[in-house]
Amino acid sequence: SQQGEEDPQALSIQEGENATMNCSYKTSINNLQWYRQNSGRGLVHLILIRSNEREKHSGRLRVTLDTSKKSSSLLITASRAADTASYFCATAVGGTASKLTFGTGTRLQVTL
Amino acid sequence: NAGVTQTPKFRVLKTGQSMTLLCAQDMNHEYMYWYRQDPGMGLRLIHYSVGEGTTAKGEVPDGYNVSRLKKQNFLLGLESAAPSQTSVYFCASSSRQFANTEAFFGQGTRLTVV
Repeated sequence: SQQGEEDPQALSIQEGENATMNCSYKTSINNLQWYRQNSGRGLVHLILIRSNEREKHSGRLRVTLDTSKKSSSLLITASRAADTASYFCATAVGGTASKLTFGTGTRLQVTL
Repeated sequence: NAGVTQTPKFRVLKTGQSMTLLCAQDMNHEYMYWYRQDPGMGLRLIHYSVGEGTTAKGEVPDGYNVSRLKKQNFLLGLESAAPSQTSVYFCASSSRQFANTEAFFGQGTRLTVV
């Protein structure tokens, strides 16, 4: 079964708005990563947050991690049409950190 | 710098045929992975390798075999293709364990088994 589950499954917003995606996971983790996938393309790494971190920023991206709730959120501020993609969270689990386990993804549509 | 390159990009197989998917990375990464992506399922790990000459099973290894004879290459084989193996296959690599690093992905191979 999937370690991570994203919510919502799909999100449609207008350009300039903020987009928030959530990820819940089941077991203790070393870190949690977010990836973007444009239609028909491979995944691109966005940001990594370690289990001892609570918040991390990268450009217009803000990621939070709440290990007590086993959840993370990805905020994209001032969204652009080019942000249209699927977003996946992935976890590296202690003892098996040689592999990543992915969630099912959130499909984000940003319209003009 | 090409990164991770997958060959081929598209393939149609008949049930029972065999094929090999090739993944090549030029970043001198130790770790390499094969995932499959199906609608609504996210990415699921098939097999992975933590170094040249090593392989290990992932979440969904049945019906697949892999080899890592050279550090830069990771091959995924289907000995007798089945329609259930219709999917998009992604190869990825990383420099070390995921506790401290991210994965780099190829562009995918879209496989259809009829």
